[in-house]
Amino acid sequence: AQSVTQLGSHVSVSEGALVLLRCNYSSSVPPYLFWYVQYPNQGLQLLLKYTSAATLVKGINGFEAEFKKSETSFHLTKPSAHMSDAAEYFCAVSGSDFGNEKLTFGTGTRLTIIP
Amino acid sequence: DGGITQSPKYLFRKEGQNVTLSCEQNLNHDAMYWYRQDPGQGLRLIYYSQIVNDFQKGDIAEGYSVSREKKESFPLTVTSAQKNPTAFYLCASSPRDRGGNQPQHFGDGTRLSIL
Repeated sequence: AQSVTQLGSHVSVSEGALVLLRCNYSSSVPPYLFWYVQYPNQGLQLLLKYTSAATLVKGINGFEAEFKKSETSFHLTKPSAHMSDAAEYFCAVSGSDFGNEKLTFGTGTRLTIIP
Repeated sequence: DGGITQSPKYLFRKEGQNVTLSCEQNLNHDAMYWYRQDPGQGLRLIYYSQIVNDFQKGDIAEGYSVSREKKESFPLTVTSAQKNPTAFYLCASSPRDRGGNQPQHFGDGTRLSIL
């Protein structure tokens, strides 16, 4: 069984400030972890993914995430927020069920940028 | 450009009516997925298919049906048995990988409402 918990359904930061979106996972096997972004009335776009090659993963739009096994965390960060970062962000964990891969999503964090 | 096309973008259903949501991909992906998105609940898996002519129930399959007659197409029917169909529906696809490390690619969604 696998699950994802995103702490904070809403996060607000000032433009230029650090963005930190939290994600904790639970998995009975070594996990693959993903962050997706969703803009209003659109589908999800992949920001980055962790597949065990490196614990610090760099993604698009200046985002990065660090895999910490001891804390079962995969928090998303960006050093300086931009107005265009306002969106909803989803953390997801992948696991195999008899060879059928499925993603389990967190409930999402809506990021608001304050001018 | 390759991608996933969902149609229509907006759909209205009358009481007792079945409606079908279209999902077509030209990414040559083996696996396809249907999710339902409700505010504050993240994405929940309805059905998925790893190969043509085969599909499995996800976490909330009741009141829905699918078919997978072609690799490119994975239509979802919302039947009259689904009593609360109002939601945003997302289709996704991915290369098949038993390791589970392949990200899913999403369409732009269909918003279904009850008349």
